[in-house]
Amino acid sequence: NAGVTQTPKFQVLKTGQSMTLQCAQDMNHNSMYWYRQDPGMGLRLIYYSASEGTTDKGEVPNGYNVSRLNKREFSLRLESAAPSQTSVYFCASSEGVTVSGANVLTFGAGSRLTVL
Amino acid sequence: AQSVTQPDIHITVSEGASLELRCNYSYGATPYLFWYVQSPGQGLQLLLKYFSGDTLVQGIKGFEAEFKRSQSSFNLRKPSVHWSDAAEYFCAVGANSGYSTLTFGKGTMLLVSP
Repeated sequence: NAGVTQTPKFQVLKTGQSMTLQCAQDMNHNSMYWYRQDPGMGLRLIYYSASEGTTDKGEVPNGYNVSRLNKREFSLRLESAAPSQTSVYFCASSEGVTVSGANVLTFGAGSRLTVL
Repeated sequence: AQSVTQPDIHITVSEGASLELRCNYSYGATPYLFWYVQSPGQGLQLLLKYFSGDTLVQGIKGFEAEFKRSQSSFNLRKPSVHWSDAAEYFCAVGANSGYSTLTFGKGTMLLVSP
């Protein structure tokens, strides 16, 4: 049972380059999320998707775009990477019929991105 | 909007000693409360959650947490720490109504000394 799978695990970019982080879940969850984790900052929500075809901004959406390709997959795109986007990115999913404070999140293992 | 504070950035505990990690929240009603653990190089894993009812909740790996409404706290405890408990611990709060996402604290890093 794979759960939430993120690719790539590590990536180094130069300023201005673009890239897409991929996330897939095999638990038939409705909602999916992208967080970034920075030292001393905890986890901050970038974007989320309550269901296939819908996306919403979180706390720190600037510089990112997302696509909910289907129920399984939720990708995060950096169009023009900046050093401030150096971080560890986590994808998560939850079973609830909608986005709720009661949702239990299942996390992927993370993607470490460095922007030079 | 809800918020959560974890006052301790780092805590060092001797193996076999008891542990208490602090979490305080701000919310206008009783929220949903969670503790997650992150082992090095891994994603976050749910330890336990509180939705309602008994204010002392049991979780995995021998952890428990107590919800205290009067103190707006949800502290995590373990009677005897093992070296494998060394990890970062995150408290999270969710609103109990409407369309809402979780808000995470900044985390407490637990170090276990021999």
